[in-house]
Amino acid sequence: QSVLTQPPSASGTPGQRVTISCSGSSSNIGSNPVNWYQHLPGAAPKLLIYSNTQRPSGVPDRFSGSKSGTSVSLAISGLQSEDEADYYCAAWDGSLNAYVFGTGTEVTVL
Amino acid sequence: EVQLVESGGGLVQPGGSLRLSCAGSGFTLSNHWMSWVRQAAGKGLEWVANINEDGTKKYYVDSVKGRFTISRDNAKNSLYLQMNSLRVEDTAVYYCVRSVGGREASWGQGTLVTVSS
Repeated sequence: QSVLTQPPSASGTPGQRVTISCSGSSSNIGSNPVNWYQHLPGAAPKLLIYSNTQRPSGVPDRFSGSKSGTSVSLAISGLQSEDEADYYCAAWDGSLNAYVFGTGTEVTVL
Repeated sequence: EVQLVESGGGLVQPGGSLRLSCAGSGFTLSNHWMSWVRQAAGKGLEWVANINEDGTKKYYVDSVKGRFTISRDNAKNSLYLQMNSLRVEDTAVYYCVRSVGGREASWGQGTLVTVSS
């Protein structure tokens, strides 16, 4: 069972803003940087956000990350059909000495 | 262009062994922590193991400790996962990942491991 909790699903219509939360603890999100990954079916997961809020080159600025205490969030603004995917937060957990992924959120574009 | 190509997956009986390989290109593997991450059908991503740049530090998820061994050959730009005493619950797509927790995270396409009698 994952130590990072995400809602199982989120949805929106094209153009809307969708926010995905990821809740952890002081041993992971509270003390280590978080990455967000996008996983399309049949494809390799792709890095969307690193160090809580930073976007790698090539990732549209529609994607943004934020952090507050032991929780992080991923926001997708101007939702597009190609954003339909699974999204995962992830961080190192210093108590477990393990890298932990969130439970994953499936985003649906209505 | 960064590329990670996994190989070595397949069908194995419970209790058997497999060795996964990951060939990196387009970057210098010795500059990066490397990891294996897996995904069982219908499930989320699960980190399996990490190895530091020179192979002196290794970390494993509890469920594979004592059964799996991560290793690397920087001269060959390659990463490995030796999997022994395989269980049905190890069935998954296994991904090779560069710098899983960093700004240069990059994933391979994965290789399927099926443990079944």
